[in-house]
Amino acid sequence: NAGVTQTPKFQVLKTGQSMTLQCAQDMNHNSMYWYRQDPGMGLRLIYYSASEGTTDKGEVPNGYNVSRLNKREFSLRLESAAPSQTSVYFCASVLGSFYNEQFFGPGTRLTVL
Amino acid sequence: ELKVEQNPLFLSMQEGKNYTIYCNYSTTSDRLYWYRQDPGKSLESLFVLLSNGAVKQEGRLMASLDTKARLSTLHITAAVHDLSATYFCAVDASSGTYKYIFGTGTRLKVLA
Repeated sequence: NAGVTQTPKFQVLKTGQSMTLQCAQDMNHNSMYWYRQDPGMGLRLIYYSASEGTTDKGEVPNGYNVSRLNKREFSLRLESAAPSQTSVYFCASVLGSFYNEQFFGPGTRLTVL
Repeated sequence: ELKVEQNPLFLSMQEGKNYTIYCNYSTTSDRLYWYRQDPGKSLESLFVLLSNGAVKQEGRLMASLDTKARLSTLHITAAVHDLSATYFCAVDASSGTYKYIFGTGTRLKVLA
């Protein structure tokens, strides 16, 4: 099992460019999440998908869109990148059972110039 | 709106000492999670606390949950350098929604 994988690992964008961050899990988990982590801010929830076919906004959804492509994959899109979106982005998944602990991907370090 | 606060934010301690990290949250939740993050790495799960009075221990770390006080603690016993990391608590925002809110983290540095 690869667990939760994310691509790319690093990305540099210019202001106004767009890109999609990819996330996939092979654990047959039901729920998937996108977080951003900024220094001193902890993790903030951008969007989540409680189950295949549903998505909901988190704490900081502005400037982002998501797609739950299937049970395995959950992508995050920046339509017009801004310097304020410079951050480390983590994808996570949850089985949706009794314990519900999250499993995290390795992260994508994004810099917007 | 659910808020999760941790204190202290930074903690520098000597090896062999004991200390406690506190996690307070603002609304009712019966599940609390602790995670560890090493510098430049992802997060890994440490503990899942599922009910009032729950206590979990692994090695030098022990976590407890008081749902009535909306408080969880992570106690470090006889700290060693390998425990240096950032520790996060997280709360399920509303039962069944699987929406988690994280605390700001406690950055722990254990000095040899």
